[in-house]
Amino acid sequence: GQSLEQPSEVTAVEGAIVQINCTYQTSGFYGLSWYQQHDGGAPTFLSYNALDGLEETGRFSSFLSRSDSYGYLLLQELQMKDSASYFCAVNSGNTPLVFGKGTRLSVIA
Amino acid sequence: GAGVSQTPSNKVTEKGKYVELRCDPISGHTALYWYRQSLGQGPEFLIYFQGTGAADDSGLPNDRFFAVRPEGSVSTLKIQRTERGDSAVYLCASSPNPPGLAGGGSYNEQFFGPGTRLTVL
Repeated sequence: GQSLEQPSEVTAVEGAIVQINCTYQTSGFYGLSWYQQHDGGAPTFLSYNALDGLEETGRFSSFLSRSDSYGYLLLQELQMKDSASYFCAVNSGNTPLVFGKGTRLSVIA
Repeated sequence: GAGVSQTPSNKVTEKGKYVELRCDPISGHTALYWYRQSLGQGPEFLIYFQGTGAADDSGLPNDRFFAVRPEGSVSTLKIQRTERGDSAVYLCASSPNPPGLAGGGSYNEQFFGPGTRLTVL
C-alpha cells in the first residue's frame, strides 16, 4: 500500500517562514508533488521533485530526500493569501498521484 | 487559454438515482484523471485515461461507478444507484504527459477543474 503523512494544521504569522513536512511509504517512487487548494477551489500545482535537493520557485521551495522518504514545502514571506490547504502527492510510476490528507495553513496578522 | 471545465458545478440527487458528471480537459492533453474529494481529505484517485482507453481504473470503488472518454477528449463519470456515501466533490484533471515518466519541474503537473459537488439525499 501507499501512505503519506503530513500535519493536519499549521498556523503562522504574516511575513514569517513556514515548513510543511511530508513523509511517505510507497511501493515505487518517481517523485513528490505539492499542490495548493483554497477553500472551494481546485488544487493547483506548486512543485515537483524527482531528485534529492531543494527546488526554488519564488517564495515557495520544495525539498526531497529519497533515502529518508521525506520532503517538505517551504513558504517564505507569508501572505494572507497563502492561507489554504497544501497537499503532498507521490508519483509512483504508472499509477496516478496518491495524495496526502493535506495541511491546512492559516496565516494570521 | 481555457482550463479544465466540469459540469454541472453542483448536483443534488436522491438515493438510488443515476448521475453523469462531465469533464472537458485542456485541449491536447492526452491524460485525464478523475478524483473524489471528501471534506478534509485529499483527492482520492478513481480512474485514469490515456487517450480513449482507461489505463488504470483501480480507484473505482465498485461497479456502480463507470467512466468513458470515447473520443479522447471529453470524459463522463457515471454513477448508478447513488448512495449517500457517494456525496463528495468529484475532481477532473488533465495533463499533457502520462504519469510515470521522468521529468523535473512542471513536467508532471496535473491541471484540475473546479469540480462537481455531488450531494445524494
